[in-house]
Amino acid sequence: DGGITQSPKYLFRKEGQNVTLSCEQNLNHDAMYWYRQDPGQGLRLIYYSQIVNDFQKGDIAEGYSVSREKKESFPLTVTSAQKNPTAFYLCASSPRIGNSPIVGGEAFFGQGTRLTVV
Amino acid sequence: AQSVTQLDSQVPVFEEAPVELRCNYSSSVSVYLFWYVQYPNQGLQLLLKYLSGSTLVKGINGFEAEFNKSQTSFHLRKPSVHISDTAEYFCAVSDHLQGAQKLVFGQGTRLTINP
Repeated sequence: DGGITQSPKYLFRKEGQNVTLSCEQNLNHDAMYWYRQDPGQGLRLIYYSQIVNDFQKGDIAEGYSVSREKKESFPLTVTSAQKNPTAFYLCASSPRIGNSPIVGGEAFFGQGTRLTVV
Repeated sequence: AQSVTQLDSQVPVFEEAPVELRCNYSSSVSVYLFWYVQYPNQGLQLLLKYLSGSTLVKGINGFEAEFNKSQTSFHLRKPSVHISDTAEYFCAVSDHLQGAQKLVFGQGTRLTINP
């Protein structure tokens, strides 16, 4: 079955540690995204990537880093610089054709990773 | 910049009653609008989307939404809800960033169905 897999489902981090959240997709989508979800605030975009070896900051990129070395993978690292990392993190992907986005195309989401600082 | 406002953070409804979840957006250009549903501790699933054409859009699970350009609204409706519809619902507008589609989400509406 095609889809997006996020791991782990639950993650605990000690203060001052970096942690990496995994996101893998087998949908052959070019674009991938990371969102952060906090209660009552909806989803906020952290980083996005349109193509391999390229990525752009979203609205709340401070304290996070990403890489896109393979089309299928878009890992997110939460660094010690992120002062309030406890949240639910969602990875998504969407298709595009050539140099144009598929306008209005659906974004497919993973099941999320819940990160808690202990 | 585009933005989305969901007017109700929580909506309690009795089973088999109709429901409307309200969504307003702001945008200076043509928009593409979406409703997503999220069940507890899961990702988001697309309910329906408006791209163009008929302003009444039908989606999965008996939901529908109406695009109203003059009121900049995209309210979600269902004529008769079921216990299984209990979830959080997100309205989103599509913004295009040099080839990538960025979704801007509202704050979410928690729909609770009471027996």
